[in-house]
Amino acid sequence: AQTVTQSQPEMSVQEAETVTLSCTYDTSESDYYLFWYKQPPSRQMILVIRQEAYKQQNATENRFSVNFQKAAKSFSLKISDSQLGDAAMYFCAYRSAERNTGTASKLTFGTGTRLQVTL
Amino acid sequence: GAVVSQHPSWVICKSGTSVKIECRSLDFQATTMFWYRQFPKQSLMLMATSNEGSKATYEQGVEKDKFLINHASLTLSTLTVTSAHPEDSSFYICSAGRVGPYEQYFGPGTRLTVT
Repeated sequence: AQTVTQSQPEMSVQEAETVTLSCTYDTSESDYYLFWYKQPPSRQMILVIRQEAYKQQNATENRFSVNFQKAAKSFSLKISDSQLGDAAMYFCAYRSAERNTGTASKLTFGTGTRLQVTL
Repeated sequence: GAVVSQHPSWVICKSGTSVKIECRSLDFQATTMFWYRQFPKQSLMLMATSNEGSKATYEQGVEKDKFLINHASLTLSTLTVTSAHPEDSSFYICSAGRVGPYEQYFGPGTRLTVT
């Protein structure tokens, strides 16, 4: 079974600064997908960024980028130019690539990192 | 991204009664829907996975007779909490997914309070 570990329960960053959230995972699979989701106080889960394991290039989405190290099984999220609206719970998630099952595979979540953004 | 709705957003029920939560995928046909439970300040815990027209697959430790899941169409799944007790009080979230390198689309969640 796959596991996802987020070792930072809480992080704090000043507005306009950069912060990196850590995530490691354990799997014996070679094909999979990784995600970062954000959960603000509204509790609506919002996709931040995704990475396909077969792609060597790190994914980027505006101020959000990842450092994907497949051999090390590490998938950290970097938030640049932090904004007050970035304050939320961030979850790292793993999903196996389906193999002709016709069923979307499930997400395995980490325990989350609560990010505070200060003025 | 796709929109997933949940209804109701908040429900209070008395101990011993049943409550049904609806999850609708509004603008895409989901091959699979997922039901999660989330306690305060904790991660999402997967309860079950369901495909249209098939029986749901429950995670270990989840009582399938207590948490009934019906997936009638590619756009609608329901979770019924039967004979609810105060310990069933929680935040329930559904999501819709499809095969491939796509994210799951999450509903806004339902807060269940059992008195």
